[in-house]
Amino acid sequence: QLQLQESGPGLVKPSETLSLTCTVSGGSISSSSYYWGWIRQPPGKGLEWIGSIYYSGSTYYNPSLKSRVTISVDTSKNQFSLKLSSVTAADTAVYYCARLAKYFRLYYFDYWGQGTLVTVSS
Amino acid sequence: EIVLTQSPGTLSLSPGERATLSCRASQSVSSSYLAWYQQKPGQAPRLLIYGASSRATGIPDRFSGSGSGTDFTLTISRLEPEDFAVYYCQQYGSSHQITFGQGTRLEIK
Repeated sequence: QLQLQESGPGLVKPSETLSLTCTVSGGSISSSSYYWGWIRQPPGKGLEWIGSIYYSGSTYYNPSLKSRVTISVDTSKNQFSLKLSSVTAADTAVYYCARLAKYFRLYYFDYWGQGTLVTVSS
Repeated sequence: EIVLTQSPGTLSLSPGERATLSCRASQSVSSSYLAWYQQKPGQAPRLLIYGASSRATGIPDRFSGSGSGTDFTLTISRLEPEDFAVYYCQQYGSSHQITFGQGTRLEIK
């Protein structure tokens, strides 16, 4: 059974960089059938896609966050990571990592991590 | 960017009733690229429907999806107590741009 687990600091100071890692177990991050994504959810609000990465390193970002986001992959560790720079209180959210399956013309997030709350505060 | 608008914002129904949730896109979306998720408090979203109408593994057949173009619908034929949750639609667009609807809260009447 595939599992995804987010890890990283739960508290980040304003103007600093938020860094999270997603560890994938029970399957290979190097499969050609999947992308790997980050999604966030501010408290009491809806879901926002942050960006995705393919095992080859190709990245895709939400235009509204693109200037501050970097997503990378480490296939040797079966992990992918998120960095979000210059954070403010508006970046306080539960951050999820998820697998984006791509089968022929079908694309959907089929496995999700449990999520990790990141609070931006001094 | 394709904007997904879900309606209603909140739907109040009783167990056993039929629920109809709407997701409208600001421009045409390929049916292949439309998915629905269920989220319960404190949990990650769970995939219900992909390709607009295909149920994900383990999803009961009381859940069904339909639609095309700009209008998509999630229907729950007979509500069970565990179905009361928030539901999101999501689309995959050109240049790998992904957006979610703002969600519909399904609450017990």
